[in-house]
Amino acid sequence: DAGITQSPRHKVTETGTPVTLRCHQTENHRYMYWYRQDPGHGLRLIHYSYGVKDTDKGEVSDGYSVSRSKTEDFLLTLESATSSQTSVYFCAISESGTGNSYNEQFFGPGTRLTVL
Amino acid sequence: AQSVTQPDIHITVSEGASLELRCNYSYGATPYLFWYVQSPGQGLQLLLKYFSGDTLVQGIKGFEAEFKRSQSSFNLRKPSVHWSDAAEYFCAVGAWTGFQKLVFGTGTRLLVSP
Repeated sequence: DAGITQSPRHKVTETGTPVTLRCHQTENHRYMYWYRQDPGHGLRLIHYSYGVKDTDKGEVSDGYSVSRSKTEDFLLTLESATSSQTSVYFCAISESGTGNSYNEQFFGPGTRLTVL
Repeated sequence: AQSVTQPDIHITVSEGASLELRCNYSYGATPYLFWYVQSPGQGLQLLLKYFSGDTLVQGIKGFEAEFKRSQSSFNLRKPSVHWSDAAEYFCAVGAWTGFQKLVFGTGTRLLVSP
């Protein structure tokens, strides 16, 4: 299994509070991703990173920010959590690819976040 | 834009029976296709992938999938289902759009009856 850990694994918080989720990898992969999983939607990309300090938005980025100060760590922050952000959050990693190649993504165990 | 359709939300199969989970994709170029499995409370595990070459690909746990370009499909099959196969299955299409983008279907939950 790819070395990916997420912390915390479960969190309950209140509306309006800031929340930070951490993804840590030991594979030295260039790409890191944050997804959210909701019933009926599958997994949707929130943000991704293609290197230290290099990040970009995914399809559902509103209300989320990310940071990557080290290759191994990718943080997802909810500045002011809302009930609509109750979800299961997955981190994923992959090696570099090009337009002529593609590398699979490996997923972490997930963080279940409940916003009351 | 890329998209993936998994038309079956739930499927129930008797243990020992064969299984086919459907997946249709939309992508303008040759797709990279994946099937992932998620057991309850767990992360996603890659079952198999198609990048090029032989259109019938073998994966882990006895699963296989067939890429049919003419039908834009990548259906997952298993000849004999075990109770431990009960899980949610996700089909995904990978694309290079400046980064390695992965677009998922909404998933099919497999229930296995005794």
